[in-house]
Formats: sequence, structure tokens, C-alpha cells
Amino acid sequence: QSVLTQPPSVSGAPGQRVTISCTGSSSNIGAGYDVHWYQQLPGTAPKLLIYGNSNRPSGVPDRFSGSKSGTSASLAITGLQAEDEADYYCQSYDSSLSAWHVVFGGGTKLTVL
Amino acid sequence: EVQLVQSGAEVKKPGESLKISCKGSGYSFTSYWIGWVRQMPGKGLEWMGIIYPGDSDTRYSPSFQGQVTISADKSISTAYLQWSSLKASDTAMYYCARQVSYGDYPPSFDPWGQGTLVTVSS
Repeated sequence: QSVLTQPPSVSGAPGQRVTISCTGSSSNIGAGYDVHWYQQLPGTAPKLLIYGNSNRPSGVPDRFSGSKSGTSASLAITGLQAEDEADYYCQSYDSSLSAWHVVFGGGTKLTVL
Repeated sequence: EVQLVQSGAEVKKPGESLKISCKGSGYSFTSYWIGWVRQMPGKGLEWMGIIYPGDSDTRYSPSFQGQVTISADKSISTAYLQWSSLKASDTAMYYCARQVSYGDYPPSFDPWGQGTLVTVSS
């Protein structure tokens, strides 16, 4: 069971908008730790998609956006394209167990219908 | 270009030892933490631990403490993940990734190695 909770799957038609949630708690996202998002295309390594809740690295299309509020974060993808079909993971930090450590969400599989 | 290149796929028997590698290039290897992440078949990402090659300071996830050893040889810009006695449940893809801070935000993992598939079977 992952510390950060994501929906197992979401889907949308080409051109539509989808959102993926990432829910944490008072020891991670709620404690003020920022959230990063990764995209894992089939058969490939993960790639950084969003850092610091809402910032895109160079080369990431502006169709991808992120936000954070309270103990949750969200990734939004607008103008869905077939190439967006992938697994998406959120990542943050957790300060329980008397030391910080990296935590990931369980991942969300995006299907483009 | 910043790049992490991992060693090739391994097939091992239960009880055997193994050390896989991750070679960095295109940046100052000793100035960034390197993390290891496990992905079991059909499952999500699990953080195993990180190492700072500059002084070999190492942190482990509680879930992996005592199960694996993370090390680095800064003279050849290479980080390692090793097991002393593999189990079938260690079968997974293992990724290394550089931890980097963009702006004032806590570190993210960028880039990632291509992954090393470890299969443990009798």
C-alpha cells in the first residue's frame, strides 16, 4: 500500500481533459512537501513531467499542468493525445518514522480511448 | 547530455549474490545524490535508497534497510546496488536516477537510467 494514493486508472477520448489525483497526509504533502510527477511510457523508464507541484521541465508540453492544495495534488492533461497513454506517478517526501524519505504514489494508468 | 547507463539484465538463482551498476556521465557525478527505485512486475515505483557519491553518505528506505547495499565508486562515476543472497521476490526492474533540485523545490529524480531487469528463479 503506497503512502500516496492515486486512482488505479483514468481514461479519456482524444482532445479531452483528464485529471489524476494524488492524496497524502499530514506527514507528507500536508506537511508542506512539494510534489513531483513522472510519466512512464510502456516499456520505458520514468521521466520527470512536473516538478515543484506545477513546473514543467524544458520540453514538456504545456498540455500538462500540476497543482497542490492541502494534503493533495493533481495532474491535469488537456487536449489528450494517443501518445499520452502511459502510467503516471506522483512523488513527495514523508517525515514520519523520525527521518525523511522519498514516497511514491501507486501509479495511475491513463488510457486514451 | 546528462546520462545514467545501467548494467545489463541478470538471471540468478535464489541464494546467489549480485551487484548491478549505474554509470553517470555529462555532469559532476560527485555533486548529486543517486537514488535506486524498484518496480516489481506490473507494479508501481518503490524508493529503495540514495547515495551521495562525493562522500558515500547513504540513506535507505525502512523497507529495504538490511536487504540491499548501496555503494559508489566516484573514481569511475558509478553507483551500485547489491544483494548478498537473492530471493525470488527480488525479481524486478531496478532503476537508478539522479536527484536534482530545480529552483527552491525539494529534489526530484532526473534523469533516470534505462533500468536493469533482475530475474531470480531456480
